Amino acid sequence: NAGVTQTPKFRVLKTGQSMTLLCAQDMNHEYMYWYRQDPGMGLRLIHYSVGEGTTAKGEVPDGYNVSRLNKREFSLRLESAAPSQTSVYFCASSYGTSGRQETQYFGPGTRLLVL
Amino acid sequence: GQNIDQPTEMTATEGAIVQINCTYQTSGFNGLFWYQQHAGEAPTFLSYNVLDGLEEKGRFSSFLSRSKGYSYLLLKELQMKDSASYLCAVTDSNYQLIWGAGTKLIIKP
Repeated sequence: NAGVTQTPKFRVLKTGQSMTLLCAQDMNHEYMYWYRQDPGMGLRLIHYSVGEGTTAKGEVPDGYNVSRLNKREFSLRLESAAPSQTSVYFCASSYGTSGRQETQYFGPGTRLLVL
Repeated sequence: GQNIDQPTEMTATEGAIVQINCTYQTSGFNGLFWYQQHAGEAPTFLSYNVLDGLEEKGRFSSFLSRSKGYSYLLLKELQMKDSASYLCAVTDSNYQLIWGAGTKLIIKP
């Protein structure tokens, strides 16, 4: 039982390059989330999914696209990376959105540096 | 707007007790979470409060007062491994989770 996994762990991009971050969970969770975490700021929600085939915008969606590939997998794509997207990206999943079901379980994170 | 306030940094001594406060102003309230995050690692769940009062779990306790928009995390018998950031998060009326910036706790021997 791996929980939530993310690939890659670390990446350096040049401005304008594209990349896809992959997230997978083996807890049979319906809900999946992509966050970014920057120094001095709380976790900020980029996009989320409430089930297979669904996606929705979070607080900071601009410059990012997501795809819920199946119940297990949720990808985040940067089409044209910018230095402002340098951050640590966390994927999370939860069983539901009510009460304790909203407890989110996080992947180890992807550290992205855009030059 | 929605806002969660926590102290940026706190320092405490090994073996002592520390209280980390969290105040929130959100559109509605459906629960409050505390997470622990060690440097370079992912946040991990610590506690959940939805009713007023104290929830105790080993060395950690979490308190909630909904009328005051206030919670605290109490850590007893501090150990060096408790050095981490502690994140407060509130579920609003739309069941969106709003995160505080976190409190970095430094434990000194």
